[in-house]
Amino acid sequence: NAGVTQTPKFQVLKTGQSMTLQCAQDMNHEYMSWYRQDPGMGLRLIHYSVGAGITDQGEVPNGYNVSRSTTEDFPLRLLSAAPSQTSVYFCASSYAGTRDTQYFGPGTRLTVL
Amino acid sequence: GENVEQHPSTLSVQEGDSAVIKCTYSDSASNYFPWYKQELGKRPQLIIDIRSNVGEKKDQRIAVTLNKTAKHFSLHITETQPEDSAVYFCAASIVDSNYQLIWGAGTKLIIKP
Repeated sequence: NAGVTQTPKFQVLKTGQSMTLQCAQDMNHEYMSWYRQDPGMGLRLIHYSVGAGITDQGEVPNGYNVSRSTTEDFPLRLLSAAPSQTSVYFCASSYAGTRDTQYFGPGTRLTVL
Repeated sequence: GENVEQHPSTLSVQEGDSAVIKCTYSDSASNYFPWYKQELGKRPQLIIDIRSNVGEKKDQRIAVTLNKTAKHFSLHITETQPEDSAVYFCAASIVDSNYQLIWGAGTKLIIKP
């Protein structure tokens, strides 16, 4: 099993550009989530999904969209990038929601100029 | 909503000594408390977790204690080794009520040789 994969590993955007961060898992996990990690602020939940076709907002959803058309994939879209979105983004999945081990992807380091 | 505070932000201990990291939470309905370790440039990985019906849990050199009355839980690492150097995150979740893990800001543990 590849576990949780994320692409790209690094990305530089200009203010106002849009892009999609890809996340996929091959563990048949129903629960998937996106976090951003900023220095000194831990992990903050952006969006999460409890199954295909079901998504919901987390703590910091503004400026981001998600969709979950399949169990395996959970892409995160930045609509109009801003410097405040410079961060490391982690995708995670688990078998049993938040009462179980969260398996994280390797992360995407995004810089917005 | 839930809030998790983690202390200290940085902890430096001599190799072989013990390290203790403490987290407090605000929502008394929280009932699942995991700890994750993140090595430099890597993804977070679960090292131990505890549920509210248990007061203490051990796994070799690592233990977690939970005080529901005071609403705090702590990570204890004994006989610290160089490979314990990392950032440690606590989190709290209200299992079966929502699907969000609320994270502490992290503790950077430095093991001095």
